[in-house]
Amino acid sequence: EAGVTQFPSHSVIEKGQTVTLRCDPISGHDNLYWYRRVMGKEIKFLLHFVKESKQDESGMPNNRFLAERTGGTYSTLKVQPAELEDSGVYFCASSQAGLAYEQYFGPGTRLTVT
Amino acid sequence: LAKTTQPISMDSYEGQEVNITCSHNNIATNDYITWYQQFPSQGPRFIIQGYKTKVTNEVASLFIPADRKSSTLSLPRVSLSDTAVYYCLVGGWKAGNNRKLIWGLGTSLAVNP
Repeated sequence: EAGVTQFPSHSVIEKGQTVTLRCDPISGHDNLYWYRRVMGKEIKFLLHFVKESKQDESGMPNNRFLAERTGGTYSTLKVQPAELEDSGVYFCASSQAGLAYEQYFGPGTRLTVT
Repeated sequence: LAKTTQPISMDSYEGQEVNITCSHNNIATNDYITWYQQFPSQGPRFIIQGYKTKVTNEVASLFIPADRKSSTLSLPRVSLSDTAVYYCLVGGWKAGNNRKLIWGLGTSLAVNP
């Protein structure tokens, strides 16, 4: 079974530019999550989709972040415009319905804003 | 969601049993205890989950005392490949709508030859 995939693996952009991260969850997983780790800090929850609906977006830092999951399959996370503090590793995870504690994580996208 | 406390780091040697203890004094009745493992440059990986007493799978065992205010992840006969960060998480994922995982800094386990 294919795992969660994320693209790109690494992105370096300048402050003020736009970046779009993509996540492909495990096929059949209704739940999709985005997390972020800033260097030296804990992994932080950003938001949770159930199929195409945003179930919880309480962790989104501000309105420069926009997440979508059209059709309930893959998801994108857009940062526009990027700021220096947005640098970090962005993880995507997915889980089956009813098994929220067992989340399958992708390898992450390392975002560097210069 | 309950806050967890675990050692920042631990050292061990190949072939030894490693026990990592996590404190969660304000665990709620409907909270479950879950452990994840993370290797460098990878996403976290689910290891084990339990509610009370003991749970065992092919990777680890999880011991939870009756008061549930702590839990111990036991890794039998560790190898170099078990060097990773181990996270203890507590949450009521089987009840209600809260699905997010709340992370601490984890325990960095170093297994030496």
